Amino acid sequence: QKEVEQNSGPLSVPEGAIASLNCTYSDRGSQSFFWYRQYSGKSPELIMSIYSNGDKEDGRFTAQLNKASQYVSLLIRDSQPSDSATYLCAVRRSSASKIIFGSGTRLSIRP
Amino acid sequence: DAGVIQSPRHEVTEMGQEVTLRCKPISGHNSLFWYRQTMMRGLELLIYFNNNVPIDDSGMPEDRFSAKMPNASFSTLKIQPSEPRDSAVYFCASSLRQGEGTEAFFGQGTRLTVV
Repeated sequence: QKEVEQNSGPLSVPEGAIASLNCTYSDRGSQSFFWYRQYSGKSPELIMSIYSNGDKEDGRFTAQLNKASQYVSLLIRDSQPSDSATYLCAVRRSSASKIIFGSGTRLSIRP
Repeated sequence: DAGVIQSPRHEVTEMGQEVTLRCKPISGHNSLFWYRQTMMRGLELLIYFNNNVPIDDSGMPEDRFSAKMPNASFSTLKIQPSEPRDSAVYFCASSLRQGEGTEAFFGQGTRLTVV
């Protein structure tokens, strides 16, 4: 079992709709959860961090965490063509530990 | 701050040659990570340091790979000898250890091609 799992996609969403990206992790002791966006040929860029169960909103982005189910999700509202990218989920057990990434979900926003 | 700085941005080398990748983390950050990204394997953690000390190098694929962090502002990843299967994008990232745990910030990456 992979430590962090994501559906590779591609996930195709019409412009203006909500894109929903999901991630599961295997280490129940994980404390920190991150979503990164990576455009082709570029480096990963942090979008959201979440540490507590529930929802965290930042503009058009909402991260959701359910530690009991070992599940993290990212919602993108009012999807734009510029949101087309690969989205990476990352997990960290503690501030002193390694950060493990999922394989990413490729998102395509169609006009 | 200039962010995480990696050099070179691109490296093309012949099989068997030594390759050295360099990284300058964000000032004040005390965790540093080296990752390798390929289409087949995604983003793999090779090694990470806390306060310049290597903590986990279990992701280093072979003895041909080595990493050092002589001080808080500089790290190297060396491959000797290089092989075509080492071709990938290598990222360095740094983070600040504080509180619950903090996110990593990435450099621009080094695209390595071994021919």
